[in-house]
Amino acid sequence: DADVTQTPRNRITKTGKRIMLECSQTKGHDRMYWYRQDPGLGLRLIYYSFDVKDINKGEISDGYSVSRQAQAKFSLSLESAIPNQTALYFCATSDPQGVSNTDTQYFGPGTRLTVL
Amino acid sequence: QKEVEQDPGPLSVPEGAIVSLNCTYSNSAFQYFMWYRQYSRKGPELLMYTYSSGNKEDGRFTAQVDKSSKYISLFIRDSQPSDSATYLCAMSADSSASKIIFGSGTRLSIRP
Repeated sequence: DADVTQTPRNRITKTGKRIMLECSQTKGHDRMYWYRQDPGLGLRLIYYSFDVKDINKGEISDGYSVSRQAQAKFSLSLESAIPNQTALYFCATSDPQGVSNTDTQYFGPGTRLTVL
Repeated sequence: QKEVEQDPGPLSVPEGAIVSLNCTYSNSAFQYFMWYRQYSRKGPELLMYTYSSGNKEDGRFTAQVDKSSKYISLFIRDSQPSDSATYLCAMSADSSASKIIFGSGTRLSIRP
């Protein structure tokens, strides 16, 4: 987990506020991802980036935006937070030439976000 | 209906028991199957990775894939308290991590 860091680890905010979650990695991977985890729903992909100039929407991108500032940094923003965005957010990286030539993902420790 | 179904548990077993964790899926195109382990307040970590059908063993862990039944399993032998965690199954139709669909996870507790 130390290779992928997320800040903040916990955040409580109010409806309508703009929030940014940050992710940094020292693994040297080009691919980065943002997921949210909700009880009973598992991990769902919000956005992913295969390199600095490549940003793609995932399954649940509405209400979110991202910025890939550098190979090592990928930020997730909630422009106007709402209570149903309360969840655990994970950043991940991957390397398509990873273990056994699989696109192995490495997850950060997560950010617990509460929107009141 | 979800593409991947996983019993949320919790599952509680005594130390030393054999644990069986399972997932079913509906998409016959899935070829890549994974199991992740997630400790409390941590991110998931890849435990097992299997391509297509068959078994794969790694120490005390065995992953099984039965594509004809659309059913995958993870067996843990000689379970230890340190195995207490949430186990997520995951699968995809191609090798890109951007296509992975995750199960909701099964919470496992190993009693000393």
